[in-house]
Amino acid sequence: EDQVTQSPEALRLQEGESSSLNCSYTVSGLRGLFWYRQDPGKGPEFLFTLYSAGEEKEKERLKATLTKKESFLHITAPKPEDSATYLCAVLGSSGTYKYIFGTGTRLKVLA
Amino acid sequence: NAGVTQTPKFRILKIGQSMTLQCTQDMNHNYMYWYRQDPGMGLKLIYYSVGAGITDKGEVPNGYNVSRSTTEDFPLRLELAAPSQTSVYFCASGGNTEAFFGQGTRLTVV
Repeated sequence: EDQVTQSPEALRLQEGESSSLNCSYTVSGLRGLFWYRQDPGKGPEFLFTLYSAGEEKEKERLKATLTKKESFLHITAPKPEDSATYLCAVLGSSGTYKYIFGTGTRLKVLA
Repeated sequence: NAGVTQTPKFRILKIGQSMTLQCTQDMNHNYMYWYRQDPGMGLKLIYYSVGAGITDKGEVPNGYNVSRSTTEDFPLRLELAAPSQTSVYFCASGGNTEAFFGQGTRLTVV
């Protein structure tokens, strides 16, 4: 069964204090791994898609990496506006086109 | 660019009432999804569709119905509202890879 586990559940950082969020997954054939950002009261906003181990994507202070078992979202020198819940999802090649989401990491960046 | 549009944004229902949550996408995506998200919890898949005329159940389909008569629209129907259906509902659409989400409908059943 496809599964996604995110850690930690919550993370508090000081402004400028870099850290990483983890997304561990098991899937029968990875079609793609996705990172989303969700602000309170809003829908998830797409950030990155990773397709194969070794791939990396960057956007401003965020960098996503992928191995065969997990993905990391590295946040470099975060700012208060980076505070949000970050969701990870996978899409397998099992035949059904269903995304499996983790429960997210709630990030709070303090000024 | 509109993307995925959901209506209404907020709704209060009485127990036993019915309603339809509307979802429209303008990206010509084949795949569409309905999720619910309870406070502090992850996204749970209610129903999904791989194309017009084709729908299938997700993790938590009980109490809901869907239809997909066009590529653009994927309405979610609640027939007999129950307090357990109080939640935030998100519609999403996807092509071959990433999915894009609407802004959600916050539903309260009292």
